[in-house]
Amino acid sequence: SQQGEEDPQALSIQEGENATMNCSYKTSINNLQWYRQNSGRGLVHLILIRSNEREKHSGRLRVTLDTSKKSSSLLITASRAADTASYFCATIYSGTYKYIFGTGTRLKVLA
Amino acid sequence: SQTIHQWPATLVQPVGSPLSLECTVEGTSNPNLYWYRQAAGRGLQLLFYSVGIGQISSEVPQNLSASRPQDRQFILSSKKLLLSDSGFYLCAWSRQRTSGGTSTDTQYFGPGTRLTVL
Repeated sequence: SQQGEEDPQALSIQEGENATMNCSYKTSINNLQWYRQNSGRGLVHLILIRSNEREKHSGRLRVTLDTSKKSSSLLITASRAADTASYFCATIYSGTYKYIFGTGTRLKVLA
Repeated sequence: SQTIHQWPATLVQPVGSPLSLECTVEGTSNPNLYWYRQAAGRGLQLLFYSVGIGQISSEVPQNLSASRPQDRQFILSSKKLLLSDSGFYLCAWSRQRTSGGTSTDTQYFGPGTRLTVL
């Protein structure tokens, strides 16, 4: 079964609003990553947070990690129409190169 | 800089026909290589990964196979396609980890191949 599960499955907001999506996972991890996928395209890496980090920022992105709850959140501030995409979290089984991707959140930003 | 290529971009094949999708990486050596399949509107399913030439790990037992004949070449094949093989196939690479490090775990994806089996 997939390790990562995102919620909500779909999110529709107005331009300028903040978008928050959550990810849960099941086993111990070394790090957790977030990726973005535009429709019909490959995934693009957004940000990586290590298991000993609680929060990380990159531009308009803010990621938090709670290893006690096995969960992470991605916040996109001041969203733009160009942020419309699917967002996935990914983790790696400890000691392996096996990535497990979540089911994704489809974000639609309305202009 | 590193680039990853996949071809073809789209493919329509009849049931029972063979399949060969190719992925190549430029600008790096000894990458870890991955094949994923994505059903419409769904997440990614890891099919195969390889940490070196001739080393293939299969995650999903099915009628697909993978080969890595060269360091930066990864091929996904099937002898006879099924309707259920339709989907979006993505190739990706990541760097080998350095001793004690995890910061190299970022995956870089190709543009994908849209496969429709009729």
